[in-house]
Amino acid sequence: AQKITQTQPGMFVQEKEAVTLDCTYDTSDPSYGLFWYKQPSSGEMIFLIYQGSYDQQNATEGRYSLNFQKARKSANLVISASQLGDSAMYFCAMRLNRDDKIIFGKGTRLHILP
Amino acid sequence: DAGVIQSPRHEVTEMGQEVTLRCKPISGHDYLFWYRQTMMRGLELLIYFNNNVPIDDSGMPEDRFSAKMPNASFSTLKIQPSEPRDSAVYFCASNHGTVKYNEQFFGPGTRLTVL
Repeated sequence: AQKITQTQPGMFVQEKEAVTLDCTYDTSDPSYGLFWYKQPSSGEMIFLIYQGSYDQQNATEGRYSLNFQKARKSANLVISASQLGDSAMYFCAMRLNRDDKIIFGKGTRLHILP
Repeated sequence: DAGVIQSPRHEVTEMGQEVTLRCKPISGHDYLFWYRQTMMRGLELLIYFNNNVPIDDSGMPEDRFSAKMPNASFSTLKIQPSEPRDSAVYFCASNHGTVKYNEQFFGPGTRLTVL
């Protein structure tokens, strides 16, 4: 069965520092996509970044980048130059390309300190 | 586009009452998902539809829960009778099946409290 593991329940980071949020996944399927979502205290789920299993390069979206290590089955989210507004819950998720469902991890709560 | 619309945003009810949550997906999206989020269990997929047809309802906790999608622009999640353990935030999400990312767009959620 597919599984997403986020081992860091909470993190505290100083403003302007880079942040790495860990995510490992488990699947035997060769074709899948990995997602990161942000959930601020207001509650909405905001899509951040996507990485396909066959993508040759790591995905980047502004200050977000995904450190994709396929052999290790890890898809860590890197936030550069963190800002106070980055304080939120972050979810890693996976969808098999043969499936319609997205499986979410438990999340990591990130606190950016001024 | 207005995004995924959910109503009500907050619902407080008493145990035993019927609760109906509503969702309007983004126009043109052919997939609709219902999730439940709690502190203990995280984000759980309850059921999803493709072209208004329920595809997988294995996440529906029990017979008290039911979901319908009578047309492409409307879906309901009903709990009857409600219990305190149903208290959670319920999200609706939609996506277009042929988009590469299959990114799901989430609604703002309905915070349900059952007393």
